[in-house]
Amino acid sequence: DTAVSQTPKYLVTQMGNDKSIKCEQNLGHDTMYWYKQDSKKFLKIMFSYNNKELIINETVPNRFSPKSPDKAHLNLHINSLELGDSAVYFCASSFTGGNQPQHFGDGTRLSIL
Amino acid sequence: RKEVEQDPGPFNVPEGATVAFNCTYSNSASQSFFWYRQDCRKEPKLLMSVYSSGNEDGRFTAQLNRASQYISLLIRDSKLSDSATYLCAKGGGADGLTFGKGTHLIIQP
Repeated sequence: DTAVSQTPKYLVTQMGNDKSIKCEQNLGHDTMYWYKQDSKKFLKIMFSYNNKELIINETVPNRFSPKSPDKAHLNLHINSLELGDSAVYFCASSFTGGNQPQHFGDGTRLSIL
Repeated sequence: RKEVEQDPGPFNVPEGATVAFNCTYSNSASQSFFWYRQDCRKEPKLLMSVYSSGNEDGRFTAQLNRASQYISLLIRDSKLSDSATYLCAKGGGADGLTFGKGTHLIIQP
């Protein structure tokens, strides 16, 4: 009964490829997020999305695009992968509202060869 | 200045001791603050929300000082299992959380 689940857990691919990471939550939350944690362990917001609004961190390249087929899913598509994209990507979800804590998936470790 | 700053440590603390660390923040428009715990190669897990009045959960106490713009985490009677990285975060909602880089805590037997 995993609350926030991501697949795949590990993703090893070559530079230039296009890949997707899936995320699903069964907590009934209405807002979902993607975070990137780099090799220095710094965790940074990439996107937040509810069924009304997508908010994009301005530092995120447009090669990254979130897609939400429904409220319980927020997938991350990455085009033309680069070496610097190697990181751990975490999906999270919460109820709407700044005081609502976020719950994280267990991460996808992306390695670019 | 980074929005959320933490001493990265590591803090090496003997088992049973009390340890405290702070996290400073800028942009005081944020109303919400949290402490997360992250074990090696795992996801961040919510430890506690931080309220203006301070809050306690077992051995853990969190406090918020808006005037000085910092939040603190106190761990009493530390256990070996408390060894982890502790992340403070501010904000939330549509803008997501802004995290510090984390404080690495090592509890030694």
